[in-house]
Amino acid sequence: GIQVEQSPPDLILQEGANSTLRCNFSDSVNNLQWFHQNPWGQLINLFYIPSGTKQNGRLSATTVATERYSLLYISSSQTTDSGVYFCAGGGGAQKLVFGQGTRLTINP
Amino acid sequence: NAGVTQTPKFRVLKTGQSMTLLCAQDMNHEYMYWYRQDPGMGLRLIHYSVGEGTTAKGEVPDGYNVSRLKKQNFLLGLESAAPSQTSVYFCASSSTGGSGNTIYFGEGSWLTVV
Repeated sequence: GIQVEQSPPDLILQEGANSTLRCNFSDSVNNLQWFHQNPWGQLINLFYIPSGTKQNGRLSATTVATERYSLLYISSSQTTDSGVYFCAGGGGAQKLVFGQGTRLTINP
Repeated sequence: NAGVTQTPKFRVLKTGQSMTLLCAQDMNHEYMYWYRQDPGMGLRLIHYSVGEGTTAKGEVPDGYNVSRLKKQNFLLGLESAAPSQTSVYFCASSSTGGSGNTIYFGEGSWLTVV
């Protein structure tokens, strides 16, 4: 099956810094989503982005489907951005494979 | 604005005991899912349902059973709990299984088997 690799596994930044999280896929996907898990465990869907670029406030994501990777950008980080970021890819929703996540810590 | 609700939030079981996790969604979604999350790992799909009365196996179905008697509810059962089932369990739903459909998660259920 498809393999999903995320990097870096851990990232520690100061408030106000920018960050880039990467997600690589072993095969092409037609479903790619990014999620944020806050320190209390809640999972929130950030983007559905099988290709192209999307932006939502300080967050944006770009997927280069032909090269099988996706990037999540966080600008002007805030402490509330802390948590674990997961990407998941695959076919339909029941075939999503999750990566192991990037743990982001934003220090004040 | 409940979304996806899971009960119970926390539970401690002894090896061999049984229990049921209940998931309820109020968004009229067709698809529902049960995932488990273990330390340092992403989510792995246990079972899913594509509509009322249907269930299907995911990546790690062994030791679990599910039922979807009503569209809004999806139950996950452990018939004989084992320490390897200590995990955080997440229920989720989506309007359909199409690739563009957002998945909404519940808040998680922390299960410890001793």
